Amino acid sequence: GQNIDQPTEMTATEGAIVQINCTYQTSGFNGLFWYQQHAGEAPTFLSYNVLDGLEEKGRFSSFLSRSKGYSYLLLKELQMKDSASYLCAVMDSNYQLIWGAGTKLIIKP
Amino acid sequence: IAGITQAPTSQILAAGRRMTLRCTQDMRHNAMYWYRQDLGLGLRLIHYSNTAGTTGKGEVPDGYSVSRANTDDFPLTLASAVPSQTSVYFCASSDSTSGVTDTQYFGPGTRLTVL
Repeated sequence: GQNIDQPTEMTATEGAIVQINCTYQTSGFNGLFWYQQHAGEAPTFLSYNVLDGLEEKGRFSSFLSRSKGYSYLLLKELQMKDSASYLCAVMDSNYQLIWGAGTKLIIKP
Repeated sequence: IAGITQAPTSQILAAGRRMTLRCTQDMRHNAMYWYRQDLGLGLRLIHYSNTAGTTGKGEVPDGYSVSRANTDDFPLTLASAVPSQTSVYFCASSDSTSGVTDTQYFGPGTRLTVL
């Protein structure tokens, strides 16, 4: 079966750095996405990785290792507005997105 | 403002009733999707459409139907609602044709409660 695993909840301090991990087992791989979802709102696109390595976009970076079936989202200089759920999703061989349950990130002052 | 709209924002429905959730996008995207989101679970694909006139079944299609008469609209119908269909429903679209990876953009969601 297809599976995306990420931690249920994480807590971090304002101004710090946090790494949210995602491991996956899917039938085929056509890219990995990270989305941010604030409570009661729609998911919004953060990043996309299809090749191994690090993609940096401002305070957010995403890393992919296809051989290990592993990705992480790195958030730097955390702000209170970063409190949200972070969703990992993999596009499988049928070009359908398989979603993890999301990691709820709580930022404390 | 370009994007995806969904209606209604929320709805309480009696079991057995028929309900259509509306989704409209003005980005001229080819592909559209319906997901449901339940606590503790990832988004699950209900139905999708790669282009106007075509639809396909996702992971959890039972009890739902869709149509894609034109590029902009992708309504989701519950023929006879059951309590297990209580969920938050998200419509999404992407500027992709079949077999291409592209980013999906989401509407604001419809919170549906079936009693």
